[in-house]
Amino acid sequence: AQKITQTQPGMFVQEKEAVTLDCTYDTSDQSYGLFWYKQPSSGEMIFLIYQGSYDEQNATEGRYSLNFQKARKSANLVISASQLGDSAMYFCAMREEHNDMRFGAGTRLTVKP
Amino acid sequence: EPEVTQTPSHQVTQMGQEVILRCVPISNHLYFYWYRQILGQKVEFLVSFYNNEISEKSEIFDDQFSVERPDGSNFTLKIRSTKLEDSAMYFCASSEIAGVFSNQPQHFGDGTRLSIL
Repeated sequence: AQKITQTQPGMFVQEKEAVTLDCTYDTSDQSYGLFWYKQPSSGEMIFLIYQGSYDEQNATEGRYSLNFQKARKSANLVISASQLGDSAMYFCAMREEHNDMRFGAGTRLTVKP
Repeated sequence: EPEVTQTPSHQVTQMGQEVILRCVPISNHLYFYWYRQILGQKVEFLVSFYNNEISEKSEIFDDQFSVERPDGSNFTLKIRSTKLEDSAMYFCASSEIAGVFSNQPQHFGDGTRLSIL
């Protein structure tokens, strides 16, 4: 069964607008961590943001914020004021109590000028 | 900023040959990982390594694969008798600590693109 589901294979956003990338997860653990990584066309994996399952506040890192809805098991990434350099693949990942990270299939974001 | 270094950036190997992918994790990190990404697909966990032994491995990590930390700095992934389907980007990652409460991310290297002919 898929642990991490990213239902948007591709997304377009106009430069300077905000965009939300969806991520839902499946776990029976009470304790887990959620991560978002960016993968530009050059291929490297860049850590963006982390949310712990017990964190009461949504995580924020600059223009990135994580809309964490625990009851719905969703951890959507919000990118505000999109820039051309934000065009990349975005992967949601989860780390459970005894497991290492599992990644979703990714969403390809294209920022249009 | 310290980073994970992987060599080579691109490896081309004949099917059936052995290949060793090399990684230098961040120096104060204790946990090491290998991931694989087949072209156009998601990143898949292979193995994690801590205290000189494998702590977890996925179903992909079969007897064909092995990992080693031969000295204090390198972390290697060996693939014996490579197959065409081993062609992928292989990422090494490291983290200072692990555990579900850790907000410390795994830092990824830039990857080695392995092409099996």
